Amino acid sequence: DARVTQTPRDKVTEMGQEVTMRCQPILGHNTVFWYRQTMKQGLELLAYFRNRAPLDDSGMPKDRFSAEMPDATLATLKIQPSEPRDSAVYFCASGLVLSGSPGTQYFGPGTRLTVL
Amino acid sequence: GEDVEQSLFLSVREGDSSVINCTYTDSSSTYLYWYKQEPGAGLQLLTYIFSNMDMKQDQRLTVLLNKKDKHLSLRIADTQTGDSAIYFCAESMTGYSTLTFGKGTMLLVSP
Repeated sequence: DARVTQTPRDKVTEMGQEVTMRCQPILGHNTVFWYRQTMKQGLELLAYFRNRAPLDDSGMPKDRFSAEMPDATLATLKIQPSEPRDSAVYFCASGLVLSGSPGTQYFGPGTRLTVL
Repeated sequence: GEDVEQSLFLSVREGDSSVINCTYTDSSSTYLYWYKQEPGAGLQLLTYIFSNMDMKQDQRLTVLLNKKDKHLSLRIADTQTGDSAIYFCAESMTGYSTLTFGKGTMLLVSP
């Protein structure tokens, strides 16, 4: 049963520290998404890649967040420096996006980030 | 811009039917989705409907789409305590588009 995996599942860090979250998309999927979920804002799209190329990162605070896809099996989201307002659950999702088919996304279990 | 709205909370008794409603603003939405999120987990796709359909049934789930009113609903028959979760409605213009999610409806099923 293919799944999106994310590490770590939980991360507690202090303000100012660097945080790196990792995602392994489902093999064969060509699109990877990063979302952030908070009670206040709900689910926000931060960035997404297609065939490893960044398509849109307008949802990310550019000064501190960066997203990369060094290879087809790994996507990373980095926050440097982290701030308390970054505390949230970060989800990775992947999908096989083809013309004429629904853009179904499969979500990972999330990384719960707490910045003290 | 695009907007998807849902009521925040629904409480039902086990065995009853649940109906979760959603409205969207983008008339060019092509696909509409229902996702389920259980505590501590990611979102899980339940079902989707193409905009040229007005109904889709999958076991206990029935999706109704009123394109004229831009209204989508998810009916869960014989609701079980295991159905307690947050349900998200989402829409996309094409398969290539990103999804726009609602804020989710928390369904609480009591015994």
